[in-house]
Amino acid sequence: SQQGEEDPQALSIQEGENATMNCSYKTSINNLQWYRQNSGRGLVHLILIRSNEREKHSGRLRVTLDTSKKSSSLLITASRAADTASYFCATDGYIGANSKLTFGKGITLSVRP
Amino acid sequence: DSGVTQTPKHLITATGQRVTLRCSPRSGDLSVYWYQQSLDQGLQFLIQYYNGEERAKGNILERFSAQQFPDLHSELNLSSLELGDSALYFCASSVGPSGGTGELFFGEGSRLTVL
Repeated sequence: SQQGEEDPQALSIQEGENATMNCSYKTSINNLQWYRQNSGRGLVHLILIRSNEREKHSGRLRVTLDTSKKSSSLLITASRAADTASYFCATDGYIGANSKLTFGKGITLSVRP
Repeated sequence: DSGVTQTPKHLITATGQRVTLRCSPRSGDLSVYWYQQSLDQGLQFLIQYYNGEERAKGNILERFSAQQFPDLHSELNLSSLELGDSALYFCASSVGPSGGTGELFFGEGSRLTVL
């Protein structure tokens, strides 16, 4: 079953605008990660935020985490055409003593030149 | 380049057949994960191996099996293939034993088409 659910499913913006993507999850987590996937390619890790962190930055990326609302957001500032891709949030979930990463269905971001 | 190598990149086969997908993890990574990506189901976790031992199991069908060898490469075997098994199969690797605690490095995937 999917743990994280991204919103919106698709987003189309103009180059230079900011893109905000949201992720909600159901159970307690230790950390939440965001990944990017270019069409037909492998996923690439963008950023990890731990449950005791509220905000994290990496270049043009800003991630927030609200554990009380079980939600996270990914902000890409000053978007570029090269940011066009699918973005996934992933949460850890425990099976016994082991942790696995569960992905949402993803958000398709289109950045128009 | 993530350092994770998957072969073959593309595979076309018929229903009822059996295929083997291969993955070489990043140098130094002990964990290998297999994921299936399809349009309707999204990215589904199948199974994880850590240093040769099965570590976690997800939505893996009984027709599917995997193993990790002493040199840490892994193989995913898919048998009695059905049309619905057509998907992108990803291998990912990480240093540690827990899939949720750190970054996963993904290969480029093996695209399986079952006709």
